[in-house]
Order: sequence, then structure tokens, then C-alpha cells
Amino acid sequence: DVQMTQSPSYLAASPGESVSISCKASKSISNYLAWYQQKPGEAYKLLIYSGSTLQSGTPSRFSGSGSGTDFTLTIRSLEPEDFGLYYCQQYYEKPYTFGAGTKLELK
Amino acid sequence: QVQLKETGPGLVQPTQTLSITCTVSGFSLTSYYMQWVRQTPGKGLEWMGFIRSGGSTEYNSEFKSRLSISRDTSKNQVFLKMNSLKTEDTGVYYCARGRGYGHFDYWGQGVMVTVSS
Repeated sequence: DVQMTQSPSYLAASPGESVSISCKASKSISNYLAWYQQKPGEAYKLLIYSGSTLQSGTPSRFSGSGSGTDFTLTIRSLEPEDFGLYYCQQYYEKPYTFGAGTKLELK
Repeated sequence: QVQLKETGPGLVQPTQTLSITCTVSGFSLTSYYMQWVRQTPGKGLEWMGFIRSGGSTEYNSEFKSRLSISRDTSKNQVFLKMNSLKTEDTGVYYCARGRGYGHFDYWGQGVMVTVSS
């Protein structure tokens, strides 16, 4: 199975700051990578797929980059509603696998 | 408006069978893949399997021997059944919609399942 390693596992930032979350795959997955956001009491929300394509409704302050084994989710100018959990997922091959998550908290 | 909602038993005894229903609205099951994903304390998020828009299924080999996914399109429902439950199966179970590319554009809020005697 493709192992997905996310870092950091925890991140504290203030509104207005920019943050980046890394996701590394154990083998090349081309650009078959998605990013999800989860907030308490809410359903998972697809933010980005194909490594860098914003899902409809995802604010433009979110961006994804990378291909092969190294990927990054960047959030520019954090808004209060951006705090929560973030996960990457590879869908290059089955079984689809997820990173362990990054908790983004308000500093 | 796309909605997915999981319903399940909450508590299941070890060795018993888990049955969860995902009821959807706002789209047709014959146009989308429906996945099951679970989140456990031990392994985090795990893709369990899906049922394609045409009705065929595919499972993660981790669960293949004890997992079954089915649907009733007339009721807009997708079903998960997993037998021989262990305490390690305790977690939150989610249904999610996909188009067959591998990522999931809508998720339910999940249902917590505790496996305990």
C-alpha cells in the first residue's frame, strides 16, 4: 500500500498568516492527490484534487502543489473558519490511503 | 442539495455483524460511486471499498473477507455489512460520494460504532 506521511501533525497560527502542510507519498503517485478539511461536527470537505485543482466552492486562498511523491497544501491569509483538521489522500492506486492528518489551531 | 447520512447501531458485540445504512439525497446512486471510509484510533482513515454507479463492488483487501457493500437505488440507500467484528473495528464510519476518479466530493457526518461486550 502507498504510505502517506503528513507533516506537521500540529500547527498553530494566527488569522492573516500563511501556512503550509506537507504530504509525502512512499512511491510516485503522479498528481493523484486530494486534500480534505474536517471541522468538529461537520462532514469532511474536499478542498483540492489532482494535486492542485480547487474543488468548486474552495476559497482561492487555498492552493495545492506538487507531483510525484511530494505535495503541499498552502493556505494564504488564514481566516477564522480555516482552523480544523486537514488530510491528504492518494488515489493513484487502491487501496486509497490517507495521511494521519494535520491539526491547524488558532494561536 | 447533496446530502448523505449514515445510521447504525452504535454498539456492537465482538464477533457480531455490523450493519450501517447511508441514505442519500440530491443525486442518483446510478450516477456516482459510493465509498465507505472509516476512522479508527489505531489506523486513522481507511478506505474500505465502494460500489460503482453500475452496481459492482470493489473492496480493500484488508476487509475483503468480511465486508459487503450493497445498495437499494429505489430507496437511495447504500449498505455496509461487516462480520466478525473486533474491538479494533471501533471507530467512525463514513459514506462518501465519488465519480470514480478516486477522490470523494461529499461525505456524510459519520456514525460512531463501538465494538464491546
